[in-house]
Amino acid sequence: EAGVAQSPRYKIIEKRQSVAFWCNPISGHATLYWYQQILGQGPKLLIQFQNNGVVDDSQLPKDRFSAERLKGVDSTLKIQPAKLEDSAVYLCASSLIGFGTDTQYFGPGTRLTVL
Amino acid sequence: GENVEQHPSTLSVQEGDSAVIKCTYSDSASNYFPWYKQELGKRPQLIIDIRSNVGEKKDQRIAVTLNKTAKHFSLHITETQPEDSAVYFCAAFNNAGNMLTFGGGTRLMVKP
Repeated sequence: EAGVAQSPRYKIIEKRQSVAFWCNPISGHATLYWYQQILGQGPKLLIQFQNNGVVDDSQLPKDRFSAERLKGVDSTLKIQPAKLEDSAVYLCASSLIGFGTDTQYFGPGTRLTVL
Repeated sequence: GENVEQHPSTLSVQEGDSAVIKCTYSDSASNYFPWYKQELGKRPQLIIDIRSNVGEKKDQRIAVTLNKTAKHFSLHITETQPEDSAVYFCAAFNNAGNMLTFGGGTRLMVKP
């Protein structure tokens, strides 16, 4: 089966600029996750969607980060304005149903560098 | 919320030796514990997982053990090979939080 797709793979921007990332989950997967992985650390969940509804966004810095999954399929994550500390790999993952014991499949990630 | 601690942060072994990575979690309600392998520049991939009603699970050279009382779980890799070199992440999930919390990762280096 096709895996989780993400674009772009790399992005370099200056602080205070805006950036958007796109994710297309595995076909039929109801749940989509966005994680932030800072160099040398484990992934940290930013937001979780079940179909087109938000299940958890408690760790999303809502003053600058936003995400949507309007039709319950692909999703975009936006940062506006970016800060130096946002430099990280942004990973998208999807799972079939969305309960915790459901395997999460990760995309290749978008490496963001904020200068 | 859940807190997952992972040790060691780096581990170097000789090819053919065993490697053990340990994780502790804080929330006794956690009931699912996956392990992911992430090669340099690539996506994390699930290698094995264990649920709270099981104490041990094996898959060829990889095994995971879970001690619910002590709230810790471990990954065991036997007969290590150079291609096992990667960063390994443990994670814990509980239904209350509906969130998977990852450990900080262990960089495993297998020397030929």
